[in-house]
Amino acid sequence: GAVVSQHPSWVICKSGTSVKIECRSLDFQATTMFWYRQFPKQSLMLMATSNEGSKATYEQGVEKDKFLINHASLTLSTLTVTSAHPEDSSFYICSAREGAPMETQYFGPGTRLLVL
Amino acid sequence: GQNIDQPTEMTATEGAIVQINCTYQTSGFNGLFWYQQHAGEAPTFLSYNVLDGLEEKGRFSSFLSRSKGYSYLLLKELQMKDSASYLCAVLDSNYQLIWGAGTKLIIKP
Repeated sequence: GAVVSQHPSWVICKSGTSVKIECRSLDFQATTMFWYRQFPKQSLMLMATSNEGSKATYEQGVEKDKFLINHASLTLSTLTVTSAHPEDSSFYICSAREGAPMETQYFGPGTRLLVL
Repeated sequence: GQNIDQPTEMTATEGAIVQINCTYQTSGFNGLFWYQQHAGEAPTFLSYNVLDGLEEKGRFSSFLSRSKGYSYLLLKELQMKDSASYLCAVLDSNYQLIWGAGTKLIIKP
């Protein structure tokens, strides 16, 4: 159980385009979803936390107009990187949690974004 | 500030035992997680400790001492597939997960 899928797994795009990444909890209802980014050989950096039906809470330094998050249902959250630039190239990972804050976060397989 | 410390890299031999330490200083404590992350992949859950003591799960065990702000992950009978990064994360008083930088474990034959 506790499977989280992420799509696409790889994206290569031109600078200035927008990219949408989907995160789905397949066998449970995720009241909370998290979006992380990770640069090579570095730890996870939390970008934002989203609860179903409400606006995402962004971490300090993360531009909410650049990284649009929509948590439309209990099984789906999307991250849209708007007007992507080469410095946005990174490994984006979502995670989902079913209930209380002390419940385990389960991670999706991640999306590698390369902006040319 | 909040801080989690773990060694950057460790090397061990196949079949041996290795202990990965994690010390933390956080605003409050609601549990400590260990995750395994293979290169290029997302983290996978290993363990969760909220009470002091040792939790054993197959070849992996996790220990917590809240008074010392200390945890370790113990891996026994090491296999080559255990080569990965091991991430320690603490749930603080606001239920935010604070992540360590991870320990890269290299297993040699």
